[in-house]
Amino acid sequence: NAGVTQTPKFQVLKTGQSMTLQCAQDMNHEYMSWYRQDPGMGLRLIHYSVGAGITDQGEVPNGYNVSRSTTEDFPLRLLSAAPSQTSVYFCASRAQRRVNTEAFFGQGTRLTVV
Amino acid sequence: GDSVTQMEGPVTLSEEAFLTINCTYTATGYPSLFWYVQYPGEGLQLLLKATKADDKGSNKGFEATYRKETTSFHLEKGSVQVSDSAVYFCALPNFGNEKLTFGTGTRLTIIP
Repeated sequence: NAGVTQTPKFQVLKTGQSMTLQCAQDMNHEYMSWYRQDPGMGLRLIHYSVGAGITDQGEVPNGYNVSRSTTEDFPLRLLSAAPSQTSVYFCASRAQRRVNTEAFFGQGTRLTVV
Repeated sequence: GDSVTQMEGPVTLSEEAFLTINCTYTATGYPSLFWYVQYPGEGLQLLLKATKADDKGSNKGFEATYRKETTSFHLEKGSVQVSDSAVYFCALPNFGNEKLTFGTGTRLTIIP
């Protein structure tokens, strides 16, 4: 079982470059989310989706774009990388059907912007 | 809005010590409550959960009881092991259930 797969695991960008973090899940989950993890800040929600074609902003959306063209995939785009976006990024998915369903997380992408 | 307040870390304990990590929350209604654990270099995984007041979630020797009157969900373990060293997150879903709100995380280190 693959679960939630994130690529790449590590990335170094120069300021101003763009890139896409990939996230795919094979559990047919309706809900998918992107979080960033920073020391002392816990996990903060960037964007989330409740199904294909539907996305919404989370707590810290600025500088990031998302789209959800299929149930399986939920890529996160950095339009013009900034040092403040240096962080560890996690993708997560959940099933919609019950309120107590757990979230499944990918292994994370460690991004450094220089 | 919904929020989770978690005990600040880091926490360092000796092996076989008793562990408590405090978590309190503010939420609309009575959401399910979760504890997630993150081992070094890995993503988060569910440790335990409780779906209603007075429920007790348990897993791997850890326990947490959903206390509606104190809006708390404290994590406890009677005898910790070196392998319990990790970061622990308390979390709850929003009223519409589309997303999870996490606490800041508590880093736990167990020394032999």
